[in-house]
Amino acid sequence: SYEVTQPLSVSVALGQTARIPCGGKNIASKNVHWYQKKPGQAPVLVLYRDSNRPSGIPERFSGSNSGNTATLTISRAQGGDEAEFYCQVWETKTGVFGGGTKLTVL
Amino acid sequence: QLQLQESGSGLVKPSQTLSLTCAVSGDSISSGGSSWNWIRQPPGKGLEWIGYIYHSGNTYYNPSLKSRVNISVDRFKNQFSLKLSSVTAADTAVYYCARGVVYSGSYGPENWFDPWGQGTLVTVS
Repeated sequence: SYEVTQPLSVSVALGQTARIPCGGKNIASKNVHWYQKKPGQAPVLVLYRDSNRPSGIPERFSGSNSGNTATLTISRAQGGDEAEFYCQVWETKTGVFGGGTKLTVL
Repeated sequence: QLQLQESGSGLVKPSQTLSLTCAVSGDSISSGGSSWNWIRQPPGKGLEWIGYIYHSGNTYYNPSLKSRVNISVDRFKNQFSLKLSSVTAADTAVYYCARGVVYSGSYGPENWFDPWGQGTLVTVS
């Protein structure tokens, strides 16, 4: 089965740029979607198909996908961005999530 | 605005069947272009996709759970349901329902999930 890997944690200074990687074999051939999850809340879609933002998601959130790594980039990080972020792909009719990355804003 | 809300038993005994329902409001569950999904998160762990049902009634399940899962739809009540049989403590999790937005991927239809329900905790004990 296809595996998607994420680091357990990423830290970023307030106002700086955070980059959260999502690794998988030739992941560039897949569409990657990203979700933000805060404690006690439902996940929220922040990017779909690698780099598309749903309405209501700030332009500070962007994405790329190349080779074996897709990346969620958060510019000008704010305290309210602290959350777990999950990437998600499809593999043979099955939804596959990465293990999640805890973003800490220092 | 599309909204989803889970309901069901929060406590299930081992070996019994977990049953949850997701009520959909703001759109018809029969509308094309959508799938209706169940996803769970065990305590302290990541998200796990359980399965989906399309408006056509076709279903597909995570192979790791396939033998125990059944997802059905009630078009009259505009809701869909999850049944998970022979549960163990490992099935303790927050269960979410979510609308899948269907698009054509490299190897067939794929989904992203938006929106999600608030989630409901199910404890197996």
